[in-house]
Amino acid sequence: EDQVTQSPEALRLQEGESSSLNCSYTVSGLRGLFWYRQDPGKGPEFLFTLYSAGEEKEKERLKATLTKKESFLHITAPKPEDSATYLCAGFKEGGSEKLVFGKGTKLTVNP
Amino acid sequence: ETGVTQTPRHLVMGMTNKKSLKCEQHLGHNAMYWYKQSAKKPLELMFVYNFKEQTENNSVPSRFSPECPNSSHLFLHLHTLQPEDSALYLCASSQDLVRREAFFGQGTRLTVV
Repeated sequence: EDQVTQSPEALRLQEGESSSLNCSYTVSGLRGLFWYRQDPGKGPEFLFTLYSAGEEKEKERLKATLTKKESFLHITAPKPEDSATYLCAGFKEGGSEKLVFGKGTKLTVNP
Repeated sequence: ETGVTQTPRHLVMGMTNKKSLKCEQHLGHNAMYWYKQSAKKPLELMFVYNFKEQTENNSVPSRFSPECPNSSHLFLHLHTLQPEDSALYLCASSQDLVRREAFFGQGTRLTVV
């Protein structure tokens, strides 16, 4: 069964304390992987798409990387406004259009 | 603004009511989706439309009925729901089924009483 697992479930950081979120996947025929940010009561906001192992994407304090089995979202010197739930989702080549989502990592950055 | 607008933002309905959720996208996309988000669970895909044609129904109960009159609008008609259907319902769109980066609306928080 295709699966995406995110860890940790929740993460508390102090402002400026860098860390990484993990997304491991067992999706056969994975075509690519998305990262989203979701604030409470809102829809997910698209961040990155990664297609191949070794690929990296950056946006402000966030950097996403992809290997053959997992993806990382690195957060450098986070600020309180980075607090949110971060979701990753895999999608497959052909066949079902279904995105396989993880449950997310809830990040809290304390000032 | 994400370019995908959902109404209403909040909805409380009884189990015997009929209501509809509306989604409109202003991004020129051709694919639209309905997702269900429940607490402590991953996002669940419900329906996929591509160029107004339904391409996927992810084993959704018939009390949920989608409608896609054109590539910009998507509806989810609800009737005789159960309390366990209470959730955040999210609409999303993408350029097509190849360019899959999905852009989400703010969601409708549905409570079934």
